[in-house]
Amino acid sequence: GDSVTQMEGPVTLSEEAFLTINCTYTATGYPSLFWYVQYPGEGLQLLLKATKADDKGSNKGFEATYRKETTSFHLEKGSVQVSDSAVYFCALSGSGNSGGSNYKLTFGKGTLLTVNP
Amino acid sequence: NAGVTQTPKFQVLKTGQSMTLQCAQDMNHEYMSWYRQDPGMGLRLIHYSVGAGITDQGEVPNGYNVSRSTTEDFPLRLLSAAPSQTSVYFCASSYDGAGANVLTFGAGSRLTVL
Repeated sequence: GDSVTQMEGPVTLSEEAFLTINCTYTATGYPSLFWYVQYPGEGLQLLLKATKADDKGSNKGFEATYRKETTSFHLEKGSVQVSDSAVYFCALSGSGNSGGSNYKLTFGKGTLLTVNP
Repeated sequence: NAGVTQTPKFQVLKTGQSMTLQCAQDMNHEYMSWYRQDPGMGLRLIHYSVGAGITDQGEVPNGYNVSRSTTEDFPLRLLSAAPSQTSVYFCASSYDGAGANVLTFGAGSRLTVL
C-alpha cells in the first residue's frame, strides 16, 4: 500500500538558517503530494502541494518539488523564522484508480521544527 | 467563519463509557474523514465518507462507528471506550476528492480514557 517516510526530527535551527525536511514515498500510479503544517494547539493546514512530476509547490517561502525518479518531495526554506516553529507532515493522495482511494491522504509521522531567535 | 467545527475540544472518559465526537462543516464538502493523531505515529485514518449515506473504513476503524445522514455532519462514536483510544482526533473535509484534494481540518478533540 501507499506509504510516506519523512525525517522524524526534532529539528532545531537558528533564525535565518536553511531548512530541509526529507520526504520519500511509495505509491502506485501518480499520486498527488502535499505538505501540511500544524502550529501548536491547532489542526493541520495545507502548506503546499504538487499534482504531477516535476511540479514545484511553493508558499510562504517554502518549496518542494515532485521528483518521480527519486520518489521524493523534500521541503525547503532558505531562511526560517521563529514563527515557522511547528510540526510538518508530508502526505500523498491516491491516483484515483480505485474508487474512493483518491480521497484518502496517507501521512508521514511528522517532523517537529523549532526555530530559536 | 466557514470551516470544520469539532466538539468537544477536550473530554475525559472512563473505560467502558460511550461518547460521540461531533464534526460539522459548512463548505458543502462531499468528502469527510476522521483521523487520530498519536505521538510518533502521525495521523491515521479511522473512517471516511464520500457523501451522505456512504461511509467506509480507514486504517484503524476498530472501536469506532460513524454515520453520514447529512452532507454537513459526520459524528464519530466510541461505543465502549478503551485507554488505547486516548488520542487527539481530527475531522477533515474536502470538496474535490479526485486527485488533488485538499483537506480542511478541524481544531481537534483531545480524548483521555482512564
